[in-house]
Amino acid sequence: AQSVTQLDSHVSVSEGTPVLLRCNYSSSYSPSLFWYVQHPNKGLQLLLKYTSAATLVKGINGFEAEFKKSETSFHLTKPSAHMSDAAEYFCVVSESVGSSASKIIFGSGTRLSIRP
Amino acid sequence: KAGVTQTPRYLIKTRGQQVTLSCSPISGHRSVSWYQQTPGQGLQFLFEYFSETQRNKGNFPGRFSGRQFSNSRSEMNVSTLELGDSALYLCASSVLRGGGETQYFGPGTRLLVL
Repeated sequence: AQSVTQLDSHVSVSEGTPVLLRCNYSSSYSPSLFWYVQHPNKGLQLLLKYTSAATLVKGINGFEAEFKKSETSFHLTKPSAHMSDAAEYFCVVSESVGSSASKIIFGSGTRLSIRP
Repeated sequence: KAGVTQTPRYLIKTRGQQVTLSCSPISGHRSVSWYQQTPGQGLQFLFEYFSETQRNKGNFPGRFSGRQFSNSRSEMNVSTLELGDSALYLCASSVLRGGGETQYFGPGTRLLVL
């Protein structure tokens, strides 16, 4: 069965320090994995996606994520947090089911706070 | 290229009423998906339309329905509104469908049911 677990509901870091948002997934097939960011009162924006190419995926705003099949993880990282990174982050798994359907599951979200 | 647009942005209804939300996908995108976002349940998938046909459906009651037009614009309808239907309804479009396709989200319609 397909599922996504974001291990932390809230992460708080100081500006300029590294960010780590954790995501574990389970999938019966080779999934595609995404990270989306949602700023307050704004829509969801794609940060990056993994679709069975390079396991280290670089996204926008300095974020990157590494697909680790052995650990079934797709953690999101950024070397140095910026105040503008404060937002809600969603890990998403998507897989094709047959030729006529796909399943998309969102994680519960991680709220990232940045301390000055 | 214009992004995904949703109308209206905000809506207030009372219990028992019905509501129709509209979504215009990015030009050239043929797949439109709908999601409900609430503080308690997070983001939940409602359904997906592709080429005017519902291809995928989440776990919502039959009060929630939708359709897609030949120009790929989509509408979502909720009948007999309940208080628990208060949520942010998000629409997302993608070029094709299937796993691996990037979805682009609209700003959402915030529905308040009184």
